[in-house]
Amino acid sequence: DIVMTQSPDSLAVSLGERAAFNCKSSQSVLYSSNNKNYLAWYQQKPGQPPKLLIYWASTRESGVPDRFSGSGSGTDFTLTISSLQADDVAVYYCQQYYDTPTTFGQGTKVEIK
Amino acid sequence: QLQLRESGPGLVKPSETLSLTCTVSAGSISDNTYYWGWIRQPPGKGLEWIGSIYFSGNTYYNPSLKSRVTISVDTSKNQFSLKLNSVTAADTAVYYCARHQKIYYYYMDVWGKGTTVTVSS
Repeated sequence: DIVMTQSPDSLAVSLGERAAFNCKSSQSVLYSSNNKNYLAWYQQKPGQPPKLLIYWASTRESGVPDRFSGSGSGTDFTLTISSLQADDVAVYYCQQYYDTPTTFGQGTKVEIK
Repeated sequence: QLQLRESGPGLVKPSETLSLTCTVSAGSISDNTYYWGWIRQPPGKGLEWIGSIYFSGNTYYNPSLKSRVTISVDTSKNQFSLKLNSVTAADTAVYYCARHQKIYYYYMDVWGKGTTVTVSS
């Protein structure tokens, strides 16, 4: 199985400041034939299901605010929140869907400083 | 707007079978664009994909659970179901159903709210 490792486990950022956290895969999730990275990001608030934010590493899901952006390629990826809002407090998970079984990172918890 | 809703017992005894159903509303489970999956999340932990099914009945399971899992579909009821046998305390989790885009292990764009299942005598 492809192992997904997120860092840090948690971070605290001031409102309006930039938050960025990482996801690393144990093997490349870039499919060379189509140059796509098979990587998604989800946001999970307490007591709620995960919500899809980003897929193909950098494509924002419909309705997701543009302060969320995904970047990276191969094995190293970053989710950036350009200006943290109170509503962004959550745990964020990355998921690889390059190979089955699909696997998730352990999550990064984002809090307000 | 498509919605998914999990239902089933919240308490299961050790060694018995966990059975859950996901009902799809405001959309058709027979849409050939999508696969339908189950994912679980133990208390305070991360997400684990259990398996997926296509409307035709083709199933795909996580090898780590394959020996204990059965997923089935009932297109007439717009439902799909999960059975996990020989459960232990380690199977205590929130169980989600979700829609996979295009391929059975791709990203999931619609999720149910989840249902908590506790394994305890």
